[in-house]
Amino acid sequence: GAVVSQHPSRVICKSGTSVKIECRSLDFQATTMFWYRQFPKKSLMLMATSNEGSKATYEQGVEKDKFLINHASLTLSTLTVTSAHPEDSSFYICSARVSDLASGGVYNEQFFGPGTRLTVL
Amino acid sequence: KQEVTQIPAALSVPEGENLVLNCSFTDSAIYNLQWFRQDPGKGLTSLLLIQSSQREQTSGRLNASLDKSSGRSTLYIAASQPGDSATYLCASRGRRSGTYKYIFGTGTRLKVLA
Repeated sequence: GAVVSQHPSRVICKSGTSVKIECRSLDFQATTMFWYRQFPKKSLMLMATSNEGSKATYEQGVEKDKFLINHASLTLSTLTVTSAHPEDSSFYICSARVSDLASGGVYNEQFFGPGTRLTVL
Repeated sequence: KQEVTQIPAALSVPEGENLVLNCSFTDSAIYNLQWFRQDPGKGLTSLLLIQSSQREQTSGRLNASLDKSSGRSTLYIAASQPGDSATYLCASRGRRSGTYKYIFGTGTRLKVLA
């Protein structure tokens, strides 16, 4: 099946620094990717929809200037947490929608990455 | 706006029991519904995907059903095992406005006792 990777899997940083998280579709093209956030023992909350070649669409309540999203290619989206603070500590998960018809039966389906655990000290 | 709720929030059962986890969604205009498993501190493992045109899907000891008219899906786990202990999440993907995003439920934390 289609594979989505995230890097890094775990990151610890100091308060005030910026952290970049990568989401890659390894064997398919993805014009649309999604970023989710999960607090401890809570469900996943959609943060934003990442669109290749255009601006991301943010969900209500998500700070655009805080969580910068760039989707510069058909296989890569990045989430940058700027000026991170301890309250930004969370588990971040991305998903990618299969957008190339050559993928056959999984076209238009979504696959999830393994997640990135961010800890801000 | 789609809202997805799961009942119960937590469940603890002895090994061998058959289980039913419930998922309710408010907007029946869905593209599909998916059940996931999440182990502590880990990512998501897709268990079953039900398209809007389907009534159920089966994989091993797992069976998921979908009733769009009532806005419900159930995940049935037969002969539960301690290895089934995890959090189970359902997520619906909306059809309105061409959106592809998944909305996740609140989750059910399952513990199967040996």
